[in-house]
Amino acid sequence: EMQLVESGGGWVQPGGSLRLSCAASGFTFSTYAMSWARQAPGEGLEWVSAINERGDTTYYADSVKGRFTVSRDNAKNMVSLQMNSLRAEDTAVYYCAKEVWFGDFGCFDCWGQGALVTVSS
Amino acid sequence: QLVLTQSPSASASLGASVRLTCTLTSGHSTYTIAWLQRQPEKGPRYLMKINSDGSYTKGDGIPDRFSGSSSGAERYLTISSLHSEDEADYYCQTWGGSWLFGGGTRLTVL
Repeated sequence: EMQLVESGGGWVQPGGSLRLSCAASGFTFSTYAMSWARQAPGEGLEWVSAINERGDTTYYADSVKGRFTVSRDNAKNMVSLQMNSLRAEDTAVYYCAKEVWFGDFGCFDCWGQGALVTVSS
Repeated sequence: QLVLTQSPSASASLGASVRLTCTLTSGHSTYTIAWLQRQPEKGPRYLMKINSDGSYTKGDGIPDRFSGSSSGAERYLTISSLHSEDEADYYCQTWGGSWLFGGGTRLTVL
């Protein structure tokens, strides 16, 4: 059974940093691109960042570009999200998700349970 | 600009059927979408992807009660024989060079 488990959430002051990790199991991790998405309180889902299978290509939403860095360790089946210069508007539940592609259509067929990040003074 | 539109809420009785709608913006009626379910206190769960021709592919373990269909720019998720655990938020998602989500529909099972 495919499973993703996030860790590392918590409270941080504005301007601070936090690192989220996501442990994968139940599938061949090194053959799938991975993404991070988030959901702010009372809001919908927002894609945040993606990393390809090898870890040498990354993508970011404009809202986090230059502040967040995604990385992966295929030997450990882990993907991480380093979040710097955090703002109040980054407060959200963060999910890691496994990408799946059907030709030119991409979606997410496995999600973690989420990690809450609260940015507040 | 590609946008996915969903009604904020829906309700139906236990054992009944409900159809949720995700509408693509004009000019994007050929796009494939995926449906996700997010139960309270849980992460999202992939339900299925639906093509513009109405064909759909469900995720592993998704009950037969869940089905999909299409008409023009609308993509539907139909849940029959509603269970209490179907009470959840339902999101549609598509790919248009980046990942885009609809605003979600909160389904209440009466």
